[in-house]
Amino acid sequence: GAVVSQHPSWVICKSGTSVKIECRSLDFQATTMFWYRQFPKQSLMLMATSNEGSKATYEQGVEKDKFLINHASLTLSTLTVTSAHPEDSSFYICSVSRLLTQYFGPGTRLLVL
Amino acid sequence: ELKVEQNPLFLSMQEGKNYTIYCNYSTTSDRLYWYRQDPGKSLESLFVLLSNGAVKQEGRLMASLDTKARLSTLHITAAVHDLSATYFCAVAQTNFGNEKLTFGTGTRLTIIP
Repeated sequence: GAVVSQHPSWVICKSGTSVKIECRSLDFQATTMFWYRQFPKQSLMLMATSNEGSKATYEQGVEKDKFLINHASLTLSTLTVTSAHPEDSSFYICSVSRLLTQYFGPGTRLLVL
Repeated sequence: ELKVEQNPLFLSMQEGKNYTIYCNYSTTSDRLYWYRQDPGKSLESLFVLLSNGAVKQEGRLMASLDTKARLSTLHITAAVHDLSATYFCAVAQTNFGNEKLTFGTGTRLTIIP
């Protein structure tokens, strides 16, 4: 398998602030990582595909200027929610793909007040 | 656009009973996955199904794939309480070497003693 960590596990912030979430692949080098968002009692929606050393690929309807993704190394991808608003409150989950299976991080719960 | 639907959305069943969760998808796919999610937690990989007719079993859970019907099933045998969770299927599509997962709506399973 693959071991994926996320930091922080939860964050509460004021509206208008920016929040950075880290996703780390702990036991192998991941050229590609994925970011998902899950609203309460809903399914996971892919936000973007993060590629090491190049720009992320965003899904339709996801604002790339609001959700900044940086994949600066083979073990770390970061998602920054800029100028967060209450509607951005959600569960953010990253994943890495290894041997035809995606392994998910533990998730980061964001609450914007 | 790929659509993935699960049925039922909610399922309450007694311990010891058998039941099946269905996952239908709208276009051809490379692979299909089943995941489990406990409340407040991230996703745990259960099965990956790679070809038509694939069947995999782990404990009381068995998953199958019919690519011609675009249908996967997750069968629960003699349910026990600790199987209570939300189960998601996810369909993979590969574009330019990158895999994208589209998740089903999820089935919230509650096992009643």
